[in-house]
Amino acid sequence: NAGVTQTPKFRILKIGQSMTLQCTQDMNHNYMYWYRQDPGMGLKLIYYSVGAGITDKGEVPNGYNVSRSTTEDFPLRLELAAPSQTSVYFCASSVQQVSSYEQYFGPGTRLTVT
Amino acid sequence: AQSVTQLDSQVPVFEEAPVELRCNYSSSVSVYLFWYVQYPNQGLQLLLKYLSGSTLVESINGFEAEFNKSQTSFHLRKPSVHISDTAEYFCAVSDAGANNLFFGTGTRLTVIP
Repeated sequence: NAGVTQTPKFRILKIGQSMTLQCTQDMNHNYMYWYRQDPGMGLKLIYYSVGAGITDKGEVPNGYNVSRSTTEDFPLRLELAAPSQTSVYFCASSVQQVSSYEQYFGPGTRLTVT
Repeated sequence: AQSVTQLDSQVPVFEEAPVELRCNYSSSVSVYLFWYVQYPNQGLQLLLKYLSGSTLVESINGFEAEFNKSQTSFHLRKPSVHISDTAEYFCAVSDAGANNLFFGTGTRLTVIP
């Protein structure tokens, strides 16, 4: 099992550009999550999904969009990149709800917006 | 919403010395508590968790944490650290049955040879 994979590892965007961060898991987990990690801060939940076709907002959803067409994939879309979105983005998955079950994290995508 | 406080942003400690990383959370009726570890340039990995039962939980690599409901704390301890324990440690809290995990700001543990 590869677990949770994320692409790309690094990306530099200009202000106003768009991009999609890819996340794939091969553990057949129902739940998937997107977090951002800013320097000196904990992880903040952006969006999550409890299954294909179902997504919901987390703490910091503004400026992002997600979709979940398959169990395996959970891409995160940035439409108009802003410097405030410079961060490290982590995708995670779990068998069921996060409060009871371990989350498995991908290696992260480091994004810089200039 | 829950809030999680990790007062120590950095903790240097000599190899084979004991260490305690502190974590406090805002009170709630029923919570689940986690410690995650992040090694350099990697994602987070679960270290240990408390869901119910015994208030003392242990990891396979010698860490332990104790759930203290009256003090709303979940401090992480290890009696003797190794160089390989150098990493960032995050405390996380969830209300039972919720889909949201709230993370602390992390504690960077540096083990000095």
